Amino acid sequence: DTAVSQTPKYLVTQMGNDKSIKCEQNLGHDTMYWYKQDSKKFLKIMFSYNNKELIINETVPNRFSPKSPDKAHLNLHINSLELGDSAVYFCASSQAPGAGVVEQYFGPGTRLTVT
Amino acid sequence: QQPVQSPQAVILREGEDAVINCSSSKALYSVHWYRQKHGEAPVFLMILLKGGEQKGHDKISASFNEKKQQSSLYLTASQLSYSGTYFCGTAGMEYGNKLVFGAGTILRVKS
Repeated sequence: DTAVSQTPKYLVTQMGNDKSIKCEQNLGHDTMYWYKQDSKKFLKIMFSYNNKELIINETVPNRFSPKSPDKAHLNLHINSLELGDSAVYFCASSQAPGAGVVEQYFGPGTRLTVT
Repeated sequence: QQPVQSPQAVILREGEDAVINCSSSKALYSVHWYRQKHGEAPVFLMILLKGGEQKGHDKISASFNEKKQQSSLYLTASQLSYSGTYFCGTAGMEYGNKLVFGAGTILRVKS
């Protein structure tokens, strides 16, 4: 069974559109994350939820809105897509508490291409 | 500010050793190491917690010098499967409750 899954794997869309990426984990973890990996492979955290509560909200444009309906799911909705949003988006999960002391398990990634 | 990794890239022949370094300007309470193969997700290798503990994972080991805020990843007798990008992630009070990743070190093992 896949521990952390994401859909879709690839997403190609035009500027100005709105799109969502879904993430699910079956590890029983309390904490989930969204990371963005740009073309230079730089991996940067965007958001983190602990048991459905937002605990990390980096300086991300408010066109990005995460939603956690329960602790096993974390979705990312992006409004008015821009060219600069093109990247690979990774979902990850870990046991609570503390991102610094426990390992994170990453999903397979969603490659978003905005044309 | 993200940790600094060195070298940026390294090419090895099978059986050779390599060291990847990770350095932070902020006090740390842990360092994480992940490996990412092309087109795949980062995969956890190990965590080193404050205390200078050295860890091992098959022929891959790491050390953490909390006083110098530095960690090193040691790959011995490298195998083709070691190829990928290695990221260190650092955590500390000044980073908040999150892991901050370095820019990565590309490792290529040739036969």
